[in-house]
Amino acid sequence: AQSVTQLGSHVSVSEGALVLLRCNYSSSVPPYLFWYVQYPNQGLQLLLKYTSAATLVKGINGFEAEFKKSETSFHLTKPSAHMSDAAEYFCAVSVTGGYQKVTFGTGTKLQVIP
Amino acid sequence: EPEVTQTPSHQVTQMGQEVILRCVPISNHLYFYWYRQILGQKVEFLVSFYNNEISEKSEIFDDQFSVERPDGSNFTLKIRSTKLEDSAMYFCASSRQGAGTDTQYFGPGTRLTVL
Repeated sequence: AQSVTQLGSHVSVSEGALVLLRCNYSSSVPPYLFWYVQYPNQGLQLLLKYTSAATLVKGINGFEAEFKKSETSFHLTKPSAHMSDAAEYFCAVSVTGGYQKVTFGTGTKLQVIP
Repeated sequence: EPEVTQTPSHQVTQMGQEVILRCVPISNHLYFYWYRQILGQKVEFLVSFYNNEISEKSEIFDDQFSVERPDGSNFTLKIRSTKLEDSAMYFCASSRQGAGTDTQYFGPGTRLTVL
């Protein structure tokens, strides 16, 4: 069975600073990996996804993530945080075949300090 | 841009009552899903639905739960006899295809409170 672990339930960064949200996955088969963002009182929005093509994946709003098989990681980064980035971020994994059950991490709340 | 919608946004019910949560998936999508998120916990898969039948369900999705696509647009989750522990945010999602690479689009959620 697949799973993801997000390190840090809360992360605070200053506006303009680097954002780094950590995610490690576990999967017995090649995974597909996703980052979703949830703004207050809204649904889950896809930021980016890794589907076994390029290991560096660029998403919306300036975010990117790098798939590192040797480290079983898929960390999310953004060079310069903006106040509008304050939200909860979920790493998720699915695997080939089946009906694409997505398994989510516990989420990381990002706070951006002015 | 097309989006998944869910109604109601909040539902308060008494323990033992039946509730129906409604979702309108994106119109050309064929695969539908329900997830739930208990406050402070992770988002958990409940069930996937394709071609008018359940394709996969989790251990959470017991006999108290059922799903239905009553017409060409709605997708519903019914909880027959609610328990306190059913209090959670319920998310509906849809995707065009079911392959692992396809993106699931999520609705804004229904917050269910069982008293």
